[in-house]
Amino acid sequence: SQQGEEDPQALSIQEGENATMNCSYKTSINNLQWYRQNSGRGLVHLILIRSNEREKHSGRLRVTLDTSKKSSSLLITASRAADTASYFCATYFGNEKLTFGTGTRLTIIP
Amino acid sequence: DAEITQSPRHKITETGRQVTLACHQTWNHNNMFWYRQDLGHGLRLIHYSYGVHDTNKGEVSDGYSVSRSNTEDLPLTLESAASSQTSVYFCASRADQRSGNTIYFGEGSWLTVV
Repeated sequence: SQQGEEDPQALSIQEGENATMNCSYKTSINNLQWYRQNSGRGLVHLILIRSNEREKHSGRLRVTLDTSKKSSSLLITASRAADTASYFCATYFGNEKLTFGTGTRLTIIP
Repeated sequence: DAEITQSPRHKITETGRQVTLACHQTWNHNNMFWYRQDLGHGLRLIHYSYGVHDTNKGEVSDGYSVSRSNTEDLPLTLESAASSQTSVYFCASRADQRSGNTIYFGEGSWLTVV
């Protein structure tokens, strides 16, 4: 079964607005990662947050982690058309295997 | 630049045929993975390898096999293709098992079984 689950499944916003996606997971983790997938392409690593971190920034990306609630959020500020993609959270489950959620499909409306 | 490449990118095959999807990485990574991606299921792990001659079953390994004869390549074989194996297949690699290491993905192989 999936270790991570993203919410919402789909999100449409106007260009320039902020987009927030959430991820819930089931077991204790060492770190949580977020990936982006453009249509028809492979996944690209965005950011990693370790279990002892609560917040991390990378450019327009802000990731938070709440280990007590087993949840993480990805915030994209000042969205652009190029941010249109699917976003996945991923955690290690069992023997160092990275397990992905089902993803949030983000559409930025110009 | 180092990279990970998959071939073929698109393939149509008939039920019952054997199909092999190639994956080649030039990072000299020890770990390699094969995932399939289906609507509503996200990415599911098929097989993985931590080094030469090492292979392990993932979440959905039935009907698939892999072999690792060198560091660079992890071909995925569908022994007898079934319509349920119509999917997008992604190969990925990582330096080693330390969980902080980034996984790098290929561009995908679209397989249709008719």
